[in-house]
Amino acid sequence: QQQVKQSPQSLIVQKGGISIINCAYENTAFDYFPWYQQFPGKGPALLIAIRPDVSEKKEGRFTISFNKSAKQFSLHIMDSQPGDSATYFCAARNPRPLYNFNKFYFGSGTKLNVKP
Amino acid sequence: ETGVTQTPRHLVMGMTNKKSLKCEQHLGHNAMYWYKQSAKKPLELMFVYSLEERVENNSVPSRFSPECPNSSHLFLHLHTLQPEDSALYLCASSQEYRTRNRDDSPLHFGNGTRLTVT
Repeated sequence: QQQVKQSPQSLIVQKGGISIINCAYENTAFDYFPWYQQFPGKGPALLIAIRPDVSEKKEGRFTISFNKSAKQFSLHIMDSQPGDSATYFCAARNPRPLYNFNKFYFGSGTKLNVKP
Repeated sequence: ETGVTQTPRHLVMGMTNKKSLKCEQHLGHNAMYWYKQSAKKPLELMFVYSLEERVENNSVPSRFSPECPNSSHLFLHLHTLQPEDSALYLCASSQEYRTRNRDDSPLHFGNGTRLTVT
């Protein structure tokens, strides 16, 4: 059973447009929701993250919108650029203090292609 | 050197070979992870070491054997693999929230080892 569902699988956006990627989860114990960006030949890199007590977080052109009641969160990339072309993963953390590590569940990824 | 370093970057091995993947983190973190990344699938957590103790083994076949000699190094020993084991193997590290603010505990990934089993 997939803990975090991500859509769309792929996305094509024109330069200057808005890219929107959506994720949904079921487990209300999740307490931290990061987004990762992965370029070909590289590992995922943390892009932006949010806690469930905040409805929106913005860093530059990247914004996370969080709807706790709907158990959904989304990444918005404003003024999308060709350099943003990459695969994006959402994730959710299930805190496990007794086990002393972060248990993250990942979405299946969205491949974004920004056309010049 | 900073971050999480994985070697080799690419590995081709036969089904009867024995090889090892290496990971080193230079971030002073106290937890290290192995993930498997296959096309169009979520990242699959394989193993977790926290404070050099294995705390998670996600029903991974015994042909994968992890080793964590200290908090900076992590190995994945491979033997008698199957073609379906071909994937990108990612190492990650984090600083655990018993010692730091939980918001500062994202995963930091290496660039992975692209494994092909023939």
